[in-house]
Amino acid sequence: DTGVSQDPRHKITKRGQNVTFRCDPISEHNRLYWYRQTLGQGPEFLTYFQNEAQLEKSRLLSDRFSAERPKGSFSTLEIQRTEQGDSAMYLCASSSGGPGTGSNQPQHFGDGTRLSIL
Amino acid sequence: DQQVKQNSPSLSVQEGRISILNCDYTNSMFDYFLWYKKYPAEGPTFLISISSIKDKNEDGRFTVFLNKSAKHLSLHIVPSQPGDSAVYFCAAFYNNNDMRFGAGTRLTVKP
Repeated sequence: DTGVSQDPRHKITKRGQNVTFRCDPISEHNRLYWYRQTLGQGPEFLTYFQNEAQLEKSRLLSDRFSAERPKGSFSTLEIQRTEQGDSAMYLCASSSGGPGTGSNQPQHFGDGTRLSIL
Repeated sequence: DQQVKQNSPSLSVQEGRISILNCDYTNSMFDYFLWYKKYPAEGPTFLISISSIKDKNEDGRFTVFLNKSAKHLSLHIVPSQPGDSAVYFCAAFYNNNDMRFGAGTRLTVKP
């Protein structure tokens, strides 16, 4: 399977706990994105990486959220001191392209991690 | 700020007929537009895209039309099949940056 892989698929935790999600992008893709989706809405951008560099962060990404992509391959998204409002589907996407490539490329999504805060 | 809008939360069509899904945007800097299809418990699947330098792109049963002056795009599915029943998201970005999504339209194709 050469698609985007996310782990775990589901996470249930108590309010105040820390959680970490993992994303493995399509291997030849240099860009990796994190989105959050709540019921009845489209995905909302959180952050993205070009290789290992984190290039942009949304204002949705509070200081309780941190994302890393240490070797430019897989990425992790950590949420500290989880709150009820963090309950959502967290989606990872990857694409090729970027500045200097001269072309826009579609992003390909994983199946997401559904986070439920009790 | 809702830069991409899908004003119809749902659409129902008969099998074999045309499905037309609509999307409006406000940011004139967008230069790439996409449609994604989403089944329950799965991530969005890329369907078709169009660059802002074009006004039409076709791929099999799927055609996307872009009207830049009206800041409007649409997805046509002909003929519609029951397997097309899903939530369809319109998305846009510029310069390979983050995508902005609409809220989605749930398409139901009745046999």
